[in-house]
Amino acid sequence: QKEVEQNSGPLSVPEGAIASLNCTYSDRGSQSFFWYRQYSGKSPELIMSIYSNGDKEDGRFTAQLNKASQYVSLLIRDSQPSDSATYLCAVNSWGKFQFGAGTQVVVTP
Amino acid sequence: SAVISQKPSRDICQRGTSLTIQCQVDSQVTMMFWYRQQPGQSLTLIATANQGSEATYESGFVIDKFPISRPNLTFSTLTVSNMSPEDSSIYLCSVETSGDMNTGELFFGEGSRLTVL
Repeated sequence: QKEVEQNSGPLSVPEGAIASLNCTYSDRGSQSFFWYRQYSGKSPELIMSIYSNGDKEDGRFTAQLNKASQYVSLLIRDSQPSDSATYLCAVNSWGKFQFGAGTQVVVTP
Repeated sequence: SAVISQKPSRDICQRGTSLTIQCQVDSQVTMMFWYRQQPGQSLTLIATANQGSEATYESGFVIDKFPISRPNLTFSTLTVSNMSPEDSSIYLCSVETSGDMNTGELFFGEGSRLTVL
């Protein structure tokens, strides 16, 4: 079982719609959770971090965390073509960052 | 956050040679990490580089193949030794800085794309 799991996609989203990305993790002792965006040929860029249960909003992005279900999600509202990228979920477990395989998002005009 | 500069950004190397990747950070950081990202794959941690001590390698990675230096709190190098085509990958330097709630956040350099012929 992988420690951090994501659907690989691609997730096709019409422009202006909401993109919903999911991530599950195996280590119940995980402390902090992150979403990274990676454009093709570029390095990952941190877009959201979340540490406690519930929602955290930053602009068009909302991260949701449910530690009981070991589940993290990212919502992208009003999706734009510039949101087309691979989104990596990362979990910090006892000081070690574990990454999911990433979900490719394609926003279609 | 931190500004992390890596070089070279890309290189084409011959089988059997070695290449050293440099990573420079604009502030002092305790934890520096080296990751590999093979084509179409996610990030795999190679090792953790701490100043003043030997690097800690993850399972499947050894010091003879990936020697690391960490001479101070702003700089590190990763050498990929005796390269084979299987080493063709993007190598990423990253640092952990203090984020919200005083917990660590990981930031990445631009990456070094190596192609081994």
